[in-house]
Amino acid sequence: DIQMTQSPASLSASVGDRVTITCRASQTISRYLNWYQQKPGRAPKVLVYVASTLQGGVPSRFSGSGSGADFTLTISSLQPEDFATYYCQQSYSAPYTFGQGTKLDIK
Amino acid sequence: QEQLVESGGGVVQPGRSLRLSCAASGFTFSSYAMHWVRQAPGKGVEWVAVISYDGSYKNYVDSVRGRFTVSRDTSKNALYLQMNSLRTEDTAVYYCARDQAGGSGYLSVFDIWGQGTMITVSS
Repeated sequence: DIQMTQSPASLSASVGDRVTITCRASQTISRYLNWYQQKPGRAPKVLVYVASTLQGGVPSRFSGSGSGADFTLTISSLQPEDFATYYCQQSYSAPYTFGQGTKLDIK
Repeated sequence: QEQLVESGGGVVQPGRSLRLSCAASGFTFSSYAMHWVRQAPGKGVEWVAVISYDGSYKNYVDSVRGRFTVSRDTSKNALYLQMNSLRTEDTAVYYCARDQAGGSGYLSVFDIWGQGTMITVSS
């Protein structure tokens, strides 16, 4: 199975900050990497897929980059509604594994 | 609008069985592969199973293979997860999710999710 490792596990930031979350796969996964946002009591929501394609309706302050085994999610200017937990997920091969999550909270 | 609604959750003893259902609406259910994904309380997200748009292909995470069976009924726009020989480690919120690709392809990007149904396996 492909292991996904996110860093940091948690992050405190302020509204307006630029934030970067990283995700590393245990093997190369080309660009088959997706990012989700999850708020308490809610299902995850896809933000970015195949590394850098923004899902429809997702604000342009979110962006993804990377290929191979190393990927990043960047939020250019944090908004109050962005405080949540973020997960990466590889869609290269089954089982489609997720990272352990990065909890982003307000400083 | 495009929607998925899970049902069938509850409390069950170890070793027993349970069947989850997922009702789809607002899109052409028969055109999409569908997945089950779960999340243990306070834990991360785990993919569980996939079924192709026509039901001809199924795959599972190793921890449930041989115990869980995914199926679909296109006439009812419904997805199912039959869970047998349940274990305490199966305790989680179970989500059904749509594969974004549509048709015979797979992106394994989960673009539509249900609200989830909680399964608690406990004696």
